[in-house]
Amino acid sequence: AQTVTQSQPEMSVQEAETVTLSCTYDTSESDYYLFWYKQPPSRQMILVIRQEAYKQQNATENRFSVNFQKAAKSFSLKISDSQLGDAAMYFCAYRSAYNNNDMRFGAGTRLTVKP
Amino acid sequence: GAGVSQSPRYKVAKRGQDVALRCDPISGHVSLFWYQQALGQGPEFLTYFQNEAQLDKSGLPSDRFFAERPEGSVSTLKIQRTQQEDSAVYLCASSLRDRRPSANTEAFFGQGTRLTVV
Repeated sequence: AQTVTQSQPEMSVQEAETVTLSCTYDTSESDYYLFWYKQPPSRQMILVIRQEAYKQQNATENRFSVNFQKAAKSFSLKISDSQLGDAAMYFCAYRSAYNNNDMRFGAGTRLTVKP
Repeated sequence: GAGVSQSPRYKVAKRGQDVALRCDPISGHVSLFWYQQALGQGPEFLTYFQNEAQLDKSGLPSDRFFAERPEGSVSTLKIQRTQQEDSAVYLCASSLRDRRPSANTEAFFGQGTRLTVV
């Protein structure tokens, strides 16, 4: 079974600085999708960035980028120029390309942004 | 509406009471998911629908949990004889069917229902 591990329960970053959130996963599948979701206190999960496993190029969305290492099964999120509004829980998620309903989440990392 | 809508946002139930949680997915979304999120944890999969068919209910923790989507749109998660361990946020998500190679696999989430069993 696929598992997702986020080893950092909490992280803190100074406003305008850069922070990296870690995520590793375990799977025997060759094709899958990886996601980072942000969950603010409102509880709504918001998609931050997505990576297809068959793409070698790392995904980038404005200040958010990933370091996808398929062989190492690692998928870290880098937030550049951190803003106060980035403070939230961040969840890494894995979704199988073969089984549409199989989406697994990590336990989350709580990010605090200090002014 | 444009997003996934869940109601109620908060529900307090006495132990033993039955509850029903509603999810209105994005119009046209074939796939619908229910997740349970305990405090300080990531969402845990409960069940999955493709249109009106419940294709996977392997995550439902007990036979007290029941979900339906009779017309392939709105879904209801019902919990019978609630217990304190059922207290959690229940998240609903919907997505377009995965059509490869132009796959759109993003799942859109609602704001969840926070259930507290006292």
